[in-house]
Amino acid sequence: QQQVKQSPQSLIVQKGGIPIINCAYENTAFDYFPWYQQFPGKGPALLIAIRPDVSEKKEGRFTISFNKSAKQFSLHIMDSQPGDSATYFCAASIMANDYKLSFGAGTTVTVRA
Amino acid sequence: DTAVSQTPKYLVTQMGNDKSIKCEQNLGHDTMYWYKQDSKKFLKIMFSYNNKELIINETVPNRFSPKSPDKAHLNLHINSLELGDSAVYFCASSQASTGGTEAFFGQGTRLTVV
Repeated sequence: QQQVKQSPQSLIVQKGGIPIINCAYENTAFDYFPWYQQFPGKGPALLIAIRPDVSEKKEGRFTISFNKSAKQFSLHIMDSQPGDSATYFCAASIMANDYKLSFGAGTTVTVRA
Repeated sequence: DTAVSQTPKYLVTQMGNDKSIKCEQNLGHDTMYWYKQDSKKFLKIMFSYNNKELIINETVPNRFSPKSPDKAHLNLHINSLELGDSAVYFCASSQASTGGTEAFFGQGTRLTVV
């Protein structure tokens, strides 16, 4: 049973476009929501993370929006570049039980030059 | 200067064989994990060890046996390999804290069972 639902499965944008990836969760005990980026042949790497006490967080061109009441969060990639082409995973965990990340199914983003 | 390293990177083997994947982290973390990534890229946790103690065992067949000889190492042994075991296996580590789980992943081991 997947605890974090992620969409879309894939998306293609032109350079400079803003790909948006959406995630939803059911478990209200989740209190830490990271995003991971994975390039082909590599392991996932932490990109940005948010806690539910803030509604938005920006790091460079990456922005997380968080809607606690709707139990949804999303990743926006501003001014996307071909080098951003990768698979992105949202995840969720319970900080007090810091041993497990539940991942979404992943979104493959392709940024065309 | 790899933080989480796992070997081998590729493993091709026949059904019924027994194989091991090794993982080492030099980050000083006290928690290590094994994740399985299937052909659709879905990542699922298999095991988690904290200070050499098994914390999470996510209904994985008992043909899979993790072993943590010390905090820096977590190996995965798989008996009687089946076709469905073909996947990419990732080792990861993190430092348990109240700050959230930042897991550092290795490069993965692509296991192909033929």
